[in-house]
Amino acid sequence: AQKVTQAQTEISVVEKEDVTLDCVYETRDTTYYLFWYKQPPSGELVFLIRRNSFDEQNEISGRYSWNFQKSTSSFNFTITASQVVDSAVYFCALDNYGQNFVFGPGTRLSVLP
Amino acid sequence: EAQVTQNPRYLITVTGKKLTVTCSQNMNHEYMSWYRQDPGLGLRQIYYSMNVEVTDKGDVPEGYKVSRKEKRNFPLILESPSPNQTSLYFCASSLWDGTGGTYEQYFGPGTRLTVT
Repeated sequence: AQKVTQAQTEISVVEKEDVTLDCVYETRDTTYYLFWYKQPPSGELVFLIRRNSFDEQNEISGRYSWNFQKSTSSFNFTITASQVVDSAVYFCALDNYGQNFVFGPGTRLSVLP
Repeated sequence: EAQVTQNPRYLITVTGKKLTVTCSQNMNHEYMSWYRQDPGLGLRQIYYSMNVEVTDKGDVPEGYKVSRKEKRNFPLILESPSPNQTSLYFCASSLWDGTGGTYEQYFGPGTRLTVT
């Protein structure tokens, strides 16, 4: 069975600190997709990134970066120089061809001014 | 504007009274899915559909039904709601190429359901 673990339930940082959100997944499939979504206090779900299992290159988008390590089944997300607007719940998710799309339990990030 | 709409946004009902939550998307997406969100559990997939007349169970399908008669609509039906179905429900849609899984999922605004 597929599973996504986000061990950090809540994290608090002070603005401008860097923060890393951990994601560990389990799957028996060799082809799969990993995602990160953001859910701000307003409640909507916002797509951040999609990565396939064959692409282990790290990705950077502005202050956001993602580290995919297949050897440790991890797909960690780092926010550099965090801002108050980054406060949200962040979900890591695993997709096996659209079947059994699995979300992790989420990490609530609070960025304090 | 590309969007996924859900109705109603809020619903309070009683045990056993059948209800339907509608979901519609205007992006011509093949893939649609329903999730429920509960504290500490993240989002769990209820049902998904890869195209018209093609639906399948997710992780928590018990007590729910879906149909996909048109590409744009994917209603969620609770034939006999129970209090343990009190939750926040999200509908989502995505492109689907038939081989590579889902792309970015676009989510509706959510439906908060309370069953007493």
